[in-house]
Amino acid sequence: QVQLQQSGPGLVKPSQTLSLTCAISGDSVSSKSAAWNWIRQSPSRGLEWLGRTSYRSKWYNDYAVSVKSRITINPDTSKNLFSLQLISVTPEDTAVYYCTRSVGYDDYIGYYYSAMDVWGQGTTVTVSS
Amino acid sequence: DIVMTQSPDSLAASLGERATINCKSSQSVLYGSNNKNYLAWYQQKPGQPPKLLIYWASTRESGVPDRFSGSGSGTDFTLTISSLQAEDVAVYYCQQYFIIPLTFGGGTKVEIK
Repeated sequence: QVQLQQSGPGLVKPSQTLSLTCAISGDSVSSKSAAWNWIRQSPSRGLEWLGRTSYRSKWYNDYAVSVKSRITINPDTSKNLFSLQLISVTPEDTAVYYCTRSVGYDDYIGYYYSAMDVWGQGTTVTVSS
Repeated sequence: DIVMTQSPDSLAASLGERATINCKSSQSVLYGSNNKNYLAWYQQKPGQPPKLLIYWASTRESGVPDRFSGSGSGTDFTLTISSLQAEDVAVYYCQQYFIIPLTFGGGTKVEIK
């Protein structure tokens, strides 16, 4: 059974960096059959996909345009986890943050991903001085 | 970006009644090469992360009760709860995973009348 365990601070000051990690058990961050996502949820923005990392012979990262200049998602193969860094945060970044897994497939049409079948427990992050 | 629009915003139905939630995408999420609709439904209860119910528009996730069903193709999709139970009170979201950015609908709150 795949599980995702999130950790990180719940309070970040404006202009500082939000850092969260997501530890994977039951799967591997370097699996060729998965992508690892970060999602956030707030009353004003709803559920918002932030980005993902995946491994298919090399590492790929995809990011939402809304945060592309501020976000980094990194895999850590030694600890089997992936992390989120969001720099220069403002109160607009206050949200519940989730890490998730999407199962990947490689068949006659090429590589593609399915829905998000495993979710972390969520981390409430407040941006405030 | 593909915009996902859900309706209604909320609904109340009696125990045992049918509940229907609609989801419309701003462009088709049907991929012709594999004939799959890249559309999922999630259920979220207070204080919990969303839980995957349906993927590929109509495939039930393992362990999900068969009173939940998904249908539709292209741009129009439906989640049906055939016989509403007390434990189904939640917010339901549709999501497309056809192209990035992955996008979600605004949610439909389901309550018991």
